[in-house]
Amino acid sequence: KAGVTQTPRYLIKTRGQQVTLSCSPISGHRSVSWYQQTPGQGLQFLFEYFSETQRNKGNFPGRFSGRQFSNSRSEMNVSTLELGDSALYLCASSLEGPGTAGELFFGEGSRLTVL
Amino acid sequence: GENVEQHPSTLSVQEGDSAVIKCTYSDSASNYFPWYKQELGKRPQLIIDIRSNVGEKKDQRIAVTLNKTAKHFSLHITETQPEDSAVYFCAASVDYSGNQFYFGTGTSLTVIP
Repeated sequence: KAGVTQTPRYLIKTRGQQVTLSCSPISGHRSVSWYQQTPGQGLQFLFEYFSETQRNKGNFPGRFSGRQFSNSRSEMNVSTLELGDSALYLCASSLEGPGTAGELFFGEGSRLTVL
Repeated sequence: GENVEQHPSTLSVQEGDSAVIKCTYSDSASNYFPWYKQELGKRPQLIIDIRSNVGEKKDQRIAVTLNKTAKHFSLHITETQPEDSAVYFCAASVDYSGNQFYFGTGTSLTVIP
C-alpha cells in the first residue's frame, strides 16, 4: 500500500505570496490532518478533515486554510506568507472513523522557506 | 485547550542503559496518548500508544506508563541501542474529538555506543 504522499517536497516563496500544498492519504483513510513542525516548537496542529468536512481547527490565523476532496486528497493553502511561516508542513492520514483518535501516518512533509 | 509539556528536551545515554521521557498534560478529558519517533530527515512514526483505561503498556524494549490522577505519562526504553537515537514526541488527544493531537516539543535522544 502506498504511503502518504505530499507535494511539493521543497519550495521557496517570498513574503506576501501564497502557497498551496497537496496531500494524498493512504488508500481507505478518510481522516487527513495537517501539522506545522518548527525547531523547538514540535508539531502544532493546523486542521483535520474527515469526509470533506473540517472536523477540527488549531490555533492558527485565517491565512491558513485547507480543504478535502471526495477522494480524500487534501490541500492546504497559506496566503500572504510571512517569514515565520517557514516550516516543515506534515500531512497525516488515519483510518479511524469519527469519534475515535488513532494512529497517524505521516507524509515526508513539504518544507517551505519564506524569504 | 490542551497543553502538553515534555522533558527533557535532550537526553544522552550509554548504549545498554535505560532512557525515560516524561510528559504532562492539562486536559483531564484527554484519553489517548501516543508516542512518535522521528529519525533525522524522516517522518514521525508511531512506536507505542496507551489509552486511559490502562496504566501501562509494553512492547519489547519500550513501555509507556500513564498516571491519570497526576496527568502525566512516560516513555521507557530499556537496553538502548544506537538505532534508538531519534527525536521522540509525546501527544495527547480526546477520542471523541477525532484526530486532533497536541504534541510535546520533543526529546532528542542520543545513544552513545
